[in-house]
Amino acid sequence: SQQGEEDPQALSIQEGENATMNCSYKTSINNLQWYRQNSGRGLVHLILIRSNEREKHSGRLRVTLDTSKKSSSLLITASRAADTASYFCATWGIGGFKTIFGAGTRLFVKA
Amino acid sequence: DTEVTQTPKHLVMGMTNKKSLKCEQHMGHRAMYWYKQKAKKPPELMFVYSYEKLSINESVPSRFSPECPNSSLLNLHLHALQPEDSALYLCASSGRALGPGVGPGTGELFFGEGSRLTVL
Repeated sequence: SQQGEEDPQALSIQEGENATMNCSYKTSINNLQWYRQNSGRGLVHLILIRSNEREKHSGRLRVTLDTSKKSSSLLITASRAADTASYFCATWGIGGFKTIFGAGTRLFVKA
Repeated sequence: DTEVTQTPKHLVMGMTNKKSLKCEQHMGHRAMYWYKQKAKKPPELMFVYSYEKLSINESVPSRFSPECPNSSLLNLHLHALQPEDSALYLCASSGRALGPGVGPGTGELFFGEGSRLTVL
């Protein structure tokens, strides 16, 4: 099953620009996580935000969470060509004990 | 480098074959997962093991048979697969086991690089 939608589905930007990806989900959650996946590789955990948190930072990453709107956003500042990848949000549900992924955003950063 | 190791990286099998995918982690994690991922799609949860017991089966067809021999190993046995089962199969582990009282800071998954399966 898929938790929700991400937009945009694909994003192409120039190196140095900021990239913003949005995620919506359907059910109540304990936390929301963002993962990166390089083409054909495994996923790498980027950042986790708890349901009682509204914003979190990690290096060039900024994540926000709005539980009233069931949505989250991931901002990557000063993007680099190496940031080219697919980005997925994932939710850890209350009582569900499982991590469910959103549809993903494919980011392409042009050098 | 990932600390979750999956073998083989690539597997081609016929519809009558029996094969297995293997996953190993040495991080002391107590929860292990199988996900299936088709091209340009998100990973879809298949199975979750917690403390070596099957906790979640997402209505996966019986031609996929998971096994957790010990806390470090997870296998996925494949038999009589269909061409539409071709996909990237991802193993993951988590430091937190499942169950009541699991807090909101949990659920971070560590993924292997996946096994690319092609069914002919």
